[in-house]
Amino acid sequence: QKEVEQNSGPLSVPEGAIASLNCTYSDRGSQSFFWYRQYSGKSPELIMSIYSNGDKEDGRFTAQLNKASQYVSLLIRDSQPSDSATYLCAASTDSWGKFQFGAGTQVVVTP
Amino acid sequence: GAVVSQHPSWVICKSGTSVKIECRSLDFQATTMFWYRQFPKQSLMLMATSNEGSKATYEQGVEKDKFLINHASLTLSTLTVTSAHPEDSSFYICSASDNRGSNYGYTFGSGTRLTVV
Repeated sequence: QKEVEQNSGPLSVPEGAIASLNCTYSDRGSQSFFWYRQYSGKSPELIMSIYSNGDKEDGRFTAQLNKASQYVSLLIRDSQPSDSATYLCAASTDSWGKFQFGAGTQVVVTP
Repeated sequence: GAVVSQHPSWVICKSGTSVKIECRSLDFQATTMFWYRQFPKQSLMLMATSNEGSKATYEQGVEKDKFLINHASLTLSTLTVTSAHPEDSSFYICSASDNRGSNYGYTFGSGTRLTVV
């Protein structure tokens, strides 16, 4: 079974702090990795994509990939109440492949 | 860019009837679209891959005769839930990628909340 696993949370983060989300995947053939944010009752929206080992920064978000450890993470700096949502990790094995989604981590940013 | 429109956003239907959901790529052509289903507090579960001009590929356990998929053009895929039952009530979401492929991530439609009564 090819899986993407995340802690379900909820992850409670004080406003202004850093939220750290983790994701592991089992398929070593996975090449592309994505973080999506999903607000309750809404469809997911893409935050970040990462393909190479190391860090990738975009605004307040930083994705980290370690293919040897089969581990992907997302850091949210200066967390805001509007960041309260479920964050989905996804992995894909090829350019036109299907995505395997994790169950998502719920983040709650408290004022 | 890469806008995906999905209609309707919500629908209530009687048990035994059929419901059609449309997914359109508005500013790009999508040879491949994906249909997902999401139950409350659960992750997205891929139902099928919709390929323009050919038959859809269904995931294991998904009844192809119940969930009819048509991808007749490069900008439109439809999912028809036939003979709907209350257990089909769920959030259905489509996604598509522009021609750059999945390496750039898929854009999701806004989703359709189906309630079967």
